[in-house]
Amino acid sequence: DTAVSQTPKYLVTQMGNDKSIKCEQNLGHDTMYWYKQDSKKFLKIMFSYNNKELIINETVPNRFSPKSPDKAHLNLHINSLELGDSAVYFCASSNWGQSNQPQHFGDGTRLSIL
Amino acid sequence: DAKTTQPPSMDCAEGRAANLPCNHSTISGNEYVYWYRQIHSQGPQYIIHGLKNNETNEMASLIITEDRKSSTLILPHATLRDTAVYYCIVRALTGANSKLTFGKGITLSVRP
Repeated sequence: DTAVSQTPKYLVTQMGNDKSIKCEQNLGHDTMYWYKQDSKKFLKIMFSYNNKELIINETVPNRFSPKSPDKAHLNLHINSLELGDSAVYFCASSNWGQSNQPQHFGDGTRLSIL
Repeated sequence: DAKTTQPPSMDCAEGRAANLPCNHSTISGNEYVYWYRQIHSQGPQYIIHGLKNNETNEMASLIITEDRKSSTLILPHATLRDTAVYYCIVRALTGANSKLTFGKGITLSVRP
């Protein structure tokens, strides 16, 4: 009965490759997020989608392209992976209209670029 | 940038109360105070939030000063499983500023 699930949990790949991370939530939320946690452990928001529409887009290279096929899914595709993309990527979800409601996070995808 | 400041670390003995302070002197009237924690190798976990009144749930209590410039998260009976990084975050009610902006947090170590 996992609320926010991400796949894969670990991803090891070579520089220059293209990869995707998937996220699904079964909480009935209308908003989903992607966060990046770097080696210094800073956690920063990257994107947010509300009802499949992009509502937050921080300064992220356009090699990163989020896609939301429906409210329950938000995938992250990364082109031409670079060493600096190595990080833990967390997906989260919440209800946008209820702004004081908490976000629920997945357990992260650990991306390592060789 | 995070709008909160927290000490980098603290510890407490198992079974005792852990009081985690947070300063948010520039908080706006429409911003809530949220607390999350991140246990090693896991995603952040919501703990509690409040606007101006003190709040309590099954995990913790949140005490917000009257001027709302600081708050304290209280874990009444800390256990070893409470060892984690605790993040204090201020968050606007609506719009893009309702995003969570994480700072460095405070590392709580609970000792046996």
